This record gives sequence, C-alpha cells and structure tokens, in this order.
Amino acid sequence: DVKVTQSSRYLVKRTGEKVFLECVQDMDHENMFWYRQDPGLGLRLIYFSYDVKMKEKGDIPEGYSVSREKKERFSLILESASTNQTSMYLCASRPGGVNTEAFFGQGTRLTVV
Amino acid sequence: GQQLNQSPQSMFIQEGEDVSMNCTSSSIFNTWLWYKQDPGEGPVLLIALYKAGELTSNGRLTAQFGITRKDSFLNISASIPSDVGIYFCAGPKISSGSARQLTFGSGTQLTVLP
Repeated sequence: DVKVTQSSRYLVKRTGEKVFLECVQDMDHENMFWYRQDPGLGLRLIYFSYDVKMKEKGDIPEGYSVSREKKERFSLILESASTNQTSMYLCASRPGGVNTEAFFGQGTRLTVV
Repeated sequence: GQQLNQSPQSMFIQEGEDVSMNCTSSSIFNTWLWYKQDPGEGPVLLIALYKAGELTSNGRLTAQFGITRKDSFLNISASIPSDVGIYFCAGPKISSGSARQLTFGSGTQLTVLP
C-alpha cells in the first residue's frame, strides 16, 4: 500500500511564526503536491514538485514556500504565519504518467492564533 | 481554464436511500477519478475510470465515464451512516504539460440521516 505521511495531525502556531509542514511518501513517486482545503472552496493547489529540487507554483502560492531535497520528502513552509492561513493542509503524491491517481496524506489541521 | 463543475454541493439523505452526484466540464477528460474524504481525514480513491462509456462498480458504488468524455457520475445505493463525507471528482489537468496535476471538483458534502 502506498503511504503518504504528514508529520502532524494538528498544529497551533502564533502569528508571525515560521511553520514547517512535512510530508513523506514511500512509493518513489515523482510528483508531490500541497493543497489547502477550506469550507466551500474545495482543494486549492499551493505548490507542487515533479522532481528533487524542482517546484512549481500552484493556484495560491502567496505566503508559502516549499522544499524538496529528497524524492520522498516534500515540505511546506509558512515564512510568517498569519491567521488567514488557518486551514486544513493536504499533501499528495502521484506517480508519473497521465492516467494515474494521487494518494493523499491524512491532513494537518493548522490553527494560527 | 479546465474546470470541473460538481453538483450538488451538498446532500442530506435518509439512511437506505440512493444517492447520485455528477461532474461536468467544458473540456475533454481521458481519466475520471472519484475520491471520498471522511471527516478529518485525507481523500481516498474510490473508483477510477479510463474509457468513455465505462461503467465501474465498487460495492454499493457505481461510477460512469460519460460518452462525451466531458462528464462523470457517481451513484451510491442503499446509503449507510459511514457514507458521510465529501466526495470529489478529479481528472488530469491536460494544460499542465505532462498532466502532472489533477483538477478537482469542488466536492459534494453528503450527510446521511438515521
């Protein structure tokens, strides 16, 4: 079974803090993604990576950065957390190829106070 | 852009009832994926469809790949309380070169009343 593991289920951080969300996948997938999910807005892509050290902006990259130093690990960084970044964050990985599915982690519920 | 319009946005049904939801797009999709997200968890794949006209079942779930390749349907028969959650359709985003990204519908929130 493919496993995508996010480092925390719940996080509470203060405004202005630097926040790291970690994601690890165990199936050697090329592609990894970070989404945020808010009620009524569906899944919105923040960043994705298709190879080590490669990254591309998604639909809402402002206020976020990412790091992919190893193929299995994709980190999302909030440089200076703000209350409007309170959300559910979902990591996903996907093998190469057009007709492949994405596998999701269990999600991290981040609250910024 | 390549968008997926998913409906309904939410449904409240009685236990035992059948459920139907759908996704439509103005663009052609070569693959349709249906995911379910339990409360507080990440989405999990339910059914994948790869051919126009394909009808695939997974237990009480049945999904169809529309013949025009611009729509897909998911049906749940005889709903039970554990069917509660958000259901998403998704497909490869053709505009992203090698289709690395998936486009997701906005989700259908299903509530099953006892």
